[in-house]
Amino acid sequence: DSGVTQTPKHLITATGQRVTLRCSPRSGDLSVYWYQQSLDQGLQFLIQYYNGEERAKGNILERFSAQQFPDLHSELNLSSLELGDSALYFCASSVGFKPNTIYFGEGSWLTVV
Amino acid sequence: AQSVTQLDSQVPVFEEAPVELRCNYSSSVSVYLFWYVQYPNQGLQLLLKYLSGSTLVKGINGFEAEFNKSQTSFHLRKPSVHISDTAEYFCAVGPQTGANNLFFGTGTRLTVIP
Repeated sequence: DSGVTQTPKHLITATGQRVTLRCSPRSGDLSVYWYQQSLDQGLQFLIQYYNGEERAKGNILERFSAQQFPDLHSELNLSSLELGDSALYFCASSVGFKPNTIYFGEGSWLTVV
Repeated sequence: AQSVTQLDSQVPVFEEAPVELRCNYSSSVSVYLFWYVQYPNQGLQLLLKYLSGSTLVKGINGFEAEFNKSQTSFHLRKPSVHISDTAEYFCAVGPQTGANNLFFGTGTRLTVIP
């Protein structure tokens, strides 16, 4: 158990819908990262937050957004969902904002039908 | 920019045999190096990491890796594999300056044959 908690574990939704994925980082970690894992794209970095502020942005679509709350949990919002958004979404956390030790959650499986 | 190449997409090996999973990287800055393992239907688990110091790092489950700066490699090894080692293994780099995220390779599927 990495200490990073993600909910829900599985989610099935229809095209055009909006979903929210939630992440609680390890106790004491200030950074939260979101990654997408798909068969064709592999593991892609989406976005990083550090202590409530956006710190780094990767291949995140405009239909996707994220935020980190004062209690340090984070949410990833996915809207206008398409079939191609079906993937495993990982949250990860680290103490600082440099990627010297990052722990991953179990992931949230999103299936868009 | 950083990139990671895992040279083998699949590696079959017999139980109790040694294994090496290869990883090469490219980066214009110094990097941290990692190996993660993903068991079926599970998340990513940190196997080992190289931050600085000794180039030979030991991780969990009997795995070790050696950082070779001149060859920009970070190969993962285990002297004797078990059935339970069957999983997907990912090499990742994290730049020490600049970007704040990890860049992953495409993964190597290790299958241990009884």
